[in-house]
Amino acid sequence: DAGVIQSPRHEVTEMGQEVTLRCKPISGHNSLFWYRQTMMRGLELLIYFNNNVPIDDSGMPEDRFSAKMPNASFSTLKIQPSEPRDSAVYFCASSFDRVVSEAFFGQGTRLTVV
Amino acid sequence: QKEVEQDPGPLSVPEGAIVSLNCTYSNSAFQYFMWYRQYSRKGPELLMYTYSSGNKEDGRFTAQVDKSSKYISLFIRDSQPSDSATYLCAMSEENNYGQNFVFGPGTRLSVLP
Repeated sequence: DAGVIQSPRHEVTEMGQEVTLRCKPISGHNSLFWYRQTMMRGLELLIYFNNNVPIDDSGMPEDRFSAKMPNASFSTLKIQPSEPRDSAVYFCASSFDRVVSEAFFGQGTRLTVV
Repeated sequence: QKEVEQDPGPLSVPEGAIVSLNCTYSNSAFQYFMWYRQYSRKGPELLMYTYSSGNKEDGRFTAQVDKSSKYISLFIRDSQPSDSATYLCAMSEENNYGQNFVFGPGTRLSVLP
């Protein structure tokens, strides 16, 4: 398996534009997590899905953020409209629950909103 | 109080030194304890994990968990420049919905040759 795959690796966009980040989890994993990482706040959990169902979205900063998982092999995180304070590295991770397991991370998407 | 706290760092040590990295937590329901290593501009990668209290050793790395004190540690023996990275502790509990991972803020480690 190629691991968790995120795209794009880098995104530069203008304030107000819509941004969509994509994630393909590891095949067979049934939990998917979106994290945001900044120097000031570290790694923050935004939302996590279990069996494609959003379980905890309390970390989603505001209504401008939305996430979907239409099937077991794909998830998106959308920001609309984007703002400069959204600039961060966004990580997707997946795991297999119900066993002693670990979350495997993608390489991240570095988002810059200017 | 944050759910997981970690020594702030940054930490600089000479090559060959023993490094001790620590985290404390407040949620007694955490059962799984992990250490992730993150190199610059990369995603975190799992280094070690343990279940409940005890020690686990893997080469130069030893993880310790003391659930009674809500304290976990990672020791690196004979540290190498290649160990220079940010180390994040992580914890999870299993609930009816699966697992939820909570990360510490990370400690930046520099091992100087």
